[in-house]
Amino acid sequence: DAGVIQSPRHEVTEMGQEVTLRCKPISGHDYLFWYRQTMMRGLELLIYFNNNVPIDDSGMPEDRFSAKMPNASFSTLKIQPSEPRDSAVYFCASSFTVSGNTIYFGEGSWLTVV
Amino acid sequence: AQSVTQLGSHVSVSEGALVLLRCNYSSSVPPYLFWYVQYPNQGLQLLLKYTSAATLVKGINGFEAEFKKSETSFHLTKPSAHMSDAAEYFCAVSDPGNQFYFGTGTSLTVIP
Repeated sequence: DAGVIQSPRHEVTEMGQEVTLRCKPISGHDYLFWYRQTMMRGLELLIYFNNNVPIDDSGMPEDRFSAKMPNASFSTLKIQPSEPRDSAVYFCASSFTVSGNTIYFGEGSWLTVV
Repeated sequence: AQSVTQLGSHVSVSEGALVLLRCNYSSSVPPYLFWYVQYPNQGLQLLLKYTSAATLVKGINGFEAEFKKSETSFHLTKPSAHMSDAAEYFCAVSDPGNQFYFGTGTSLTVIP
């Protein structure tokens, strides 16, 4: 299996621009998670989906952030407009439903907003 | 609610010395416990997990962890540190609802 695939791996953008991060989960996994990692705050859960439906988005920082999962094999995390404090590594992860199963992480999208 | 506490955000050991990374959990139900490792500029990958079978769990790269219910602990150990073990280590707990709760991470430095 190819694992969780994220794109882009690296992005540098100017403040105010729209940023779209993409994720392809492992085939057959029905949970998808978006995490953000920074030095100051560590690893934070932003939102997660079950069977393409958002279950908990309480970790989304503010309205500038939105996430969608139009089908079982694709999800996006969008930031509009982006700000320098959004600079972080954004991880997508997926897992099976059954409790106790492993979460598999992608390699991350390294975002820098200047 | 579930939670994990990792004691020590930074741990340094000499090459060949014992590695001990501490994790305590809080859970109202029998937990599933995990250790993940993150190498520089990479994503998190599973080291090992406990799912109510044997209390001593062996993982990749010579790591193991022991589930101790009485101490609510799941400490990670490796008898002999290698330079390649330098990384960030995360303890995590999951609940029946498939929610994962990660610790704040422990950065391991291996001194040659």
